[in-house]
Amino acid sequence: DTAVSQTPKYLVTQMGNDKSIKCEQNLGHDTMYWYKQDSKKFLKIMFSYNNKELIINETVPNRFSPKSPDKAHLNLHINSLELGDSAVYFCASSQGEGHVRETQYFGPGTRLLVL
Amino acid sequence: ILNVEQSPQSLHVQEGDSTNFTCSFPSSNFYALHWYRWETAKSPEALFVMTLNGDEKKKGRISATLNTKEGYSYLYIKGSQPEDSATYLCALLYGGATNKLIFGTGTLLAVQP
Repeated sequence: DTAVSQTPKYLVTQMGNDKSIKCEQNLGHDTMYWYKQDSKKFLKIMFSYNNKELIINETVPNRFSPKSPDKAHLNLHINSLELGDSAVYFCASSQGEGHVRETQYFGPGTRLLVL
Repeated sequence: ILNVEQSPQSLHVQEGDSTNFTCSFPSSNFYALHWYRWETAKSPEALFVMTLNGDEKKKGRISATLNTKEGYSYLYIKGSQPEDSATYLCALLYGGATNKLIFGTGTLLAVQP
């Protein structure tokens, strides 16, 4: 059983297009996250939702819009894709709101390539 | 800007060798330190969550220590095996307005049979 799943795994698209990445967790967790792995291999937090409410919104271009239809899903929509958006995007979830001892469970990543 | 630094960046060892690597972080506003193991083409998997100064955690041949006063954590692997080959990430849980994980760049460990 996959705990945190992402679709698609690979996404190749043209500059200027709009695309969405979906994330689902079946762990019953309250909080979900989107991370971007940049060119230097850093995992950087982008957004976090707790029970469908946005709690972390890092300095991310407003072309990126997360949407949480319910607490088991957190989708990432990207408008007007740019070359610099090429990266691996990871979804994660945790039981509560990022409390001290909570582990985050990661999805397999979506490899986005913008041409 | 918070910096979580890991060293070395990469490490090549022979099967059976014991090894260790370091995670350094600012000690102010410390909430917790996480260690993750990340195999190529897979998801990062949690190893340990450490919160108290002097904490020691162990899982099989892997153990970790934490010094929050001086801002570092060590991860040890005893008797490395080829299946230990992975990137080991540490992440600082930083308590600001909201709690969030700040990741280091990882130490890439390659264990040769």
